[in-house]
Amino acid sequence: AQTVTQSQPEMSVQEAETVTLSCTYDTSESNYYLFWYKQPPSRQMILVIRQEAYKQQNATENRFSVNFQKAAKSFSLKISDSQLGDTAMYFCACSSGTYKYIFGTGTRLKVLA
Amino acid sequence: NAGVTQTPKFRILKIGQSMTLQCTQDMNHNYMYWYRQDPGMGLKLIYYSVGAGITDKGEVPNGYNVSRSTTEDFPLRLELAAPSQTSVYFCASSTPGTSGGQETQYFGPGTRLLVL
Repeated sequence: AQTVTQSQPEMSVQEAETVTLSCTYDTSESNYYLFWYKQPPSRQMILVIRQEAYKQQNATENRFSVNFQKAAKSFSLKISDSQLGDTAMYFCACSSGTYKYIFGTGTRLKVLA
Repeated sequence: NAGVTQTPKFRILKIGQSMTLQCTQDMNHNYMYWYRQDPGMGLKLIYYSVGAGITDKGEVPNGYNVSRSTTEDFPLRLELAAPSQTSVYFCASSTPGTSGGQETQYFGPGTRLLVL
């Protein structure tokens, strides 16, 4: 069975600092996609970054980057120069096989002024 | 592009009432999904559809029904509302990846439902 585990229920970081959110996953498929979604207080689910498993290069989107370790089945999110607007719940997700997305339980991130 | 739209944004229902949550996407995605998110929790899949005329149950389908008559629309029907159905409901759509799995899933803004 596919699983996604986020072991940090809550984290905090000072504004302008860097923070890393952890995610591990398990799938028997060789090809899959990994995602980080942000859910601010508005509840909207916003895609932060995606990674295709067959690509070895780590994805980057502005201040957001991932550390994708395929052998270890690890997919951590690094947020650089944290901003107050980064305060949100962050969900890690994996899509493999046919239709399914498996989501982690989320990490609540608070950026402190 | 509007992406995925949902109506209404918020609704209060009395126990035993019924309602339909509307969802429309304009990205020509074959795959569509309904999730619920209870307070402080993650997403649970209610129903999904792989194309017009094809739907299937997710993890928590009891008390809900869906239909998919067009590619664009995927309404969720709540019959005999119960307090346990108080939640935020998200509709989403996606398209298959080129090498297995699904590409990015796009979400609607959510419908907040309160059953009293």
